[in-house]
Amino acid sequence: EPEVTQTPSHQVTQMGQEVILRCVPISNHLYFYWYRQILGQKVEFLVSFYNNEISEKSEIFDDQFSVERPDGSNFTLKIRSTKLEDSAMYFCASSEWGVGWENYEQYFGPGTRLTVT
Amino acid sequence: AQKITQTQPGMFVQEKEAVTLDCTYDTSDQSYGLFWYKQPSSGEMIFLIYQGSYDEQNATEGRYSLNFQKARKSANLVISASQLGDSAMYFCAMRDLRGGGADGLTFGKGTHLIIQP
Repeated sequence: EPEVTQTPSHQVTQMGQEVILRCVPISNHLYFYWYRQILGQKVEFLVSFYNNEISEKSEIFDDQFSVERPDGSNFTLKIRSTKLEDSAMYFCASSEWGVGWENYEQYFGPGTRLTVT
Repeated sequence: AQKITQTQPGMFVQEKEAVTLDCTYDTSDQSYGLFWYKQPSSGEMIFLIYQGSYDEQNATEGRYSLNFQKARKSANLVISASQLGDSAMYFCAMRDLRGGGADGLTFGKGTHLIIQP
């Protein structure tokens, strides 16, 4: 069964450093998402991406964050200057095209645990 | 804005018993989807079940069913014949369906379910 993959599974970085989290969505999916989950808290939506541009973003997704689809398979989340509070599990998800009221399930990757020291 | 409330931070249930996990939601949208995800201790997010706001029948997927009461804005998850492997965090989530695939999921804080032998 096709699945979303994420690398690395765990990343440790120092405060102020840039990190890039990588995701390979399911190949025929067109919508891509990033979520984060601070330890012990709920999952929070960061951004959705379609047709090489951001579709929606939350207020968490400020100027230090950016997303990119650098090639036909990868989808990346860049955090420009990490802060301690960026420590969290970051989930990538993808879904097929959703039109109108149709729902397409969002398939989640296994997550990248980011630790900022 | 959408909001999901899960009032049970933790639950202990005897194996083979049925369990109901509560979820209430708030939204001004007319067309929306309701989801349940399972998060085992390993951290991945596993999709369990989906209910659309216009669906007249309650959704069922194997041992999982969703008790959807639109007027009360509740979408409780029922797990029949619980198993030890059901021990996990369970998150209720929702999203607006009008925007196709663009909208991210809004999650509740989760319920930690522990199945006891």
